[in-house]
Amino acid sequence: QSALTQPRSVSGSPGQSVTISCTGTSSDVGFYNYVSWYQQHPGKAPKVIIRDVTKRPSGVPDRFSGSKSGNTASLTISGLQAEDEADYYCCAYAGSYLWVFGGGTKLTVL
Amino acid sequence: QVQLVQSGAEVREPGASVKVSCKASGYDFISYYVHWVRQAPGQGLEWMGIINPSGGSTTYTQRLQGRVTMTRDTSTRTVYMEMSSLKFEDTAVYYCARAVGNWIDSWGQGTLVTVSS
Repeated sequence: QSALTQPRSVSGSPGQSVTISCTGTSSDVGFYNYVSWYQQHPGKAPKVIIRDVTKRPSGVPDRFSGSKSGNTASLTISGLQAEDEADYYCCAYAGSYLWVFGGGTKLTVL
Repeated sequence: QVQLVQSGAEVREPGASVKVSCKASGYDFISYYVHWVRQAPGQGLEWMGIINPSGGSTTYTQRLQGRVTMTRDTSTRTVYMEMSSLKFEDTAVYYCARAVGNWIDSWGQGTLVTVSS
């Protein structure tokens, strides 16, 4: 059960779009449509922004979207805003009541 | 509203044990699994395990198997995470979090456990 692979950092200017990848295996990301994404600001608990690969929980802006292809899931943030600067984590179900997180990606809004 | 309130910060010596509590309110306690997730200083999130408050069944990450135990007390709507044989690298903020399906919708405030001699 290895951590999912995310880029350590990404950046973009206000108004631009950025995409964060999350690569797993055919046993987790590639097998189940149970990838979720969490946003974490410094000193705060994480907050879900995408669940079940593509679904946005109530209250999450539609600037956030998720997708998956093969063993890689992606989070796209369009129309970047200053408040989007945070750490982002993917999480995937790996079967048998096991879950795994990605290593996290720091998003910098330039 | 859904609330998960965790116990306060702890300091332990290497080799000792620690038990963190997570008291749930605002929902039907036995109907939602609870994850435990930890985050070492400056590091990412690490999934530790999950407990079913209804029957008490648990699943742990292989990495911590044998050192972590998750339990629950339905009378007080509280789940517990106990870790034994603590090492310096177990220093982290420990979160309990409510599972909705295969995702997490609510988190506790976190409990800092410091392992120091």
